[in-house]
Parts: sequence; C-alpha cells; structure tokens
Amino acid sequence: KAGVTQTPRYLIKTRGQQVTLSCSPISGHRSVSWYQQTPGQGLQFLFEYFSETQRNKGNFPGRFSGRQFSNSRSEMNVSTLELGDSALYLCASSAGSTLNYGYTFGSGTRLTVV
Amino acid sequence: AQTVTQSQPEMSVQEAETVTLSCTYDTSESDYYLFWYKQPPSRQMILVIRQEAYKQQNATENRFSVNFQKAAKSFSLKISDSQLGDAAMYFCAYRSATGTASKLTFGTGTRLQVTL
Repeated sequence: KAGVTQTPRYLIKTRGQQVTLSCSPISGHRSVSWYQQTPGQGLQFLFEYFSETQRNKGNFPGRFSGRQFSNSRSEMNVSTLELGDSALYLCASSAGSTLNYGYTFGSGTRLTVV
Repeated sequence: AQTVTQSQPEMSVQEAETVTLSCTYDTSESDYYLFWYKQPPSRQMILVIRQEAYKQQNATENRFSVNFQKAAKSFSLKISDSQLGDAAMYFCAYRSATGTASKLTFGTGTRLQVTL
C-alpha cells in the first residue's frame, strides 16, 4: 500500500511569507503528527491531529498551525516565516485508535527561508 | 518531561561486524514505548525496532536487537552482521503509553558509518 506522502519535497520562501505543507497519510490511518528537524534542535514535535481534531501540541509559537481534513490528509501552515524556520518537516501517520500503534513517516519537506 | 540521550554522535563499524548504539532516557512513568528509527539520506524515518516497557523480553528484528534495562533506563541497539545499507542516522525515541499522549521524544541521533 502507498506510504506517507509529503508535498512539496523542497521549498524556498522569503522571510515574512507564509507556507503550507501537505501530508497524506497511509490509507485508513486517522492520526497525523508533524515534527520539525533542525541540526541545532533535533527532532521536535509540533502537533498531532486525529479525526480532524488537534489532539496534542508541542511548544511552538502560534505562527505554526495545522489542520486535518475528513480524508485524514493534513496541512501545516507557518506564517510570517523567520530564518530559523528553515528545517526538514516530517509527518508521521498512524492508526491512532489504540495506544499500541506504530508510526510511519514520510520523506519530509525541506523548507529553506531566505 | 521525558528526555532521551544518545551520547555517541558518531559510530563506525566494519561490514559483517557488530555494533551497539547507546540510548538512555529519563521518565517518571512506568508504562511507555521505546523505539529505534533509522534515517538514511533519503530523509524518511524508518522504524527499526520497538520495545514495550511492560515486556521484560528484549525485542529482536532479524539482525537488530535491543538491550532494554528498565531500572537503568537504558535502551541500546545492537546491529549484527552490519551491512553497507545500515549506514544512516539512528534515533532513539520515547513515547508515553498513558492517555492520548502520542508525541515521540527523540534523542539527538547517532550517525553510523559502515566501512568495507
């Protein structure tokens, strides 16, 4: 079956702009989580959506937001981009219906803010 | 808050040899899950192995096995018969098993090189 699809793969934006990243989970998976990966901070949890509701949120400013659609696809939005937002953004999908579930990651979106 | 520590930024192993990657974690919870993920240059995080804290038996997946020491809060990964394709970043991760806590807390990673 198809894996987790993230689009686009690469993105270059200017400081102050906003950006939207997309994640399509594995068919049947209802949970999508987002992570930011940088050389300095490592992998940090952004938020998780389950059945169109945000279930968990990490310690990121309000400029970072997300949503999930009825087909479980999720989008992440970053407004007023800063240079420090340059990172690899990974999404992970899971069935999410029980605690004992695994995560499947996508290949990420590489965002560069100039 | 939980923390995960990987004290080896880089490791090197010869092909066909065995290597062990270290991971320690800190938590006050008794029920949780531990994971090892591999991230090759393709960037995708690939699950290598998973351990449930309530299970005393160490998890194994083919050439990959863990040494889970709950009291010591240690979770090391052993790779046997190393192959060139094992070269990647390896991340240790923790997830609580309580409530709806689905967040993974990652260590800083260990870069594994495999030489001929």
